[in-house]
Amino acid sequence: QITLKESGPTLVKPTQTLTLTCTFSGFSLSTSGVGVGWIRQPPGKALEWLALIYWNDDKRYSPSLKSRLTITKDTSKNQVVLTMTNMVPVDTATYYCVHGRLGYCTGGSCYPDGQYFDYWGQGTLVTVSS
Amino acid sequence: DIQMTQSPSSLSASVGDRITITCRASQSISNYLNWYQQVPRKAPKLLIYAASSLQSGVPSRFSGSGSGTDFTLTINSLQPEDFATYYCQQSYSPPWTFGQGTKVEIK
Repeated sequence: QITLKESGPTLVKPTQTLTLTCTFSGFSLSTSGVGVGWIRQPPGKALEWLALIYWNDDKRYSPSLKSRLTITKDTSKNQVVLTMTNMVPVDTATYYCVHGRLGYCTGGSCYPDGQYFDYWGQGTLVTVSS
Repeated sequence: DIQMTQSPSSLSASVGDRITITCRASQSISNYLNWYQQVPRKAPKLLIYAASSLQSGVPSRFSGSGSGTDFTLTINSLQPEDFATYYCQQSYSPPWTFGQGTKVEIK
């Protein structure tokens, strides 16, 4: 059974750095095709993908936030950490940790570059306010 | 970035109805399209991947179709637990982008 859980501060001040930890179980981040990422959702708004780290330590970032984001993994601890610098009020959102699966076969065809987010953490609301 | 546009933004329907939600990509994404369901105050849940493949455990009343730029999510015989917000997401190229969501409400 795959589970993911986010942890970190619920309130940060403007200009501070946010550090979120995703602790997961039920899979290994050293398994080929597996990734762990972060997606956020401002209150009442749509989902926004932020970052993803793969089993081979390859990393992807949202270009609009790349300069502020760092994602790392600790395979031995089953954890992924996201840091976001220079927080501002518009960064107020629920932050989700997600399990990503890269590459799949369906309908008789295989798609090595396709991926989806098939397991989500419960999310953690982070408010940016002074 | 690939822009994903869903329509309608919201719809009202009754239990037992058949509904269709449309998602359009700003460029061709082949069939690299996923659908998620989010009930209020819960995390999204994967329903369909690769445009038409049903995720394990998802009821067969959900179906997806499309390729290229135009995609649809259909729910046959809407159930009370289906009233939620639905998002499409492209996995063709990063940044992986979502549609703005379609809220399905009870009529």
